[in-house]
Amino acid sequence: EAGVVQSPRYKIIEKKQPVAFWCNPISGHNTLYWYRQNLGQGPELLIRYENEEAVDDSQLPKDRFSAERLKGVDSTLKIQPAELGDSAVYLCASSLPTSGMETQYFGPGTRLLVL
Amino acid sequence: ILNVEQSPQSLHVQEGDSTNFTCSFPSSNFYALHWYRWETAKSPEALFVMTLNGDEKKKGRISATLNTKEGYSYLYIKGSQPEDSATYLCASYSGGYQKVTFGTGTKLQVIP
Repeated sequence: EAGVVQSPRYKIIEKKQPVAFWCNPISGHNTLYWYRQNLGQGPELLIRYENEEAVDDSQLPKDRFSAERLKGVDSTLKIQPAELGDSAVYLCASSLPTSGMETQYFGPGTRLLVL
Repeated sequence: ILNVEQSPQSLHVQEGDSTNFTCSFPSSNFYALHWYRWETAKSPEALFVMTLNGDEKKKGRISATLNTKEGYSYLYIKGSQPEDSATYLCASYSGGYQKVTFGTGTKLQVIP
């Protein structure tokens, strides 16, 4: 079974540039999560989807971050414009419908460096 | 406890030593606790899902306990091996399953 796929694995951009990350979850997993992990911190949830619907985006900085999950499968997370403080690892995870009992399966993450 | 806290932040042990670390979480509105292992350059991998007070889970040389009344979980590794070197993350689900909060992790280095 293929795992969660993320691309790119690494990205270096200059501040004020846009950047996008892509995630393909495990087949059949309705729930998709985007996390940001800053250095020395635990992953912080940015947005959670149940199928196409964003059911929790309370931690997503909506002035510069946007996400979409068209057709309830792949998802894209975008930052425009990027700031120095956005340098972090962006993790995507998927699971069966959430009840707190389901294991989340993580992708390898995208390491973003904003110069 | 308002946040999910893990201690120690990092740990070096000799191969063959047993070790343990702690995850502290808010006990109110507790729903579930997950443990993950995250090896460098790999994806975080699930170890355990725990929900009941007094729960004990085991996977090979790794085991975990849960105390929901006082809000902590212990992860134990018996006879540490170099391949156990990783960051161990816990994640607390509260308020039903609506809110998941990760701890900052414990970075374990097992020295051969």
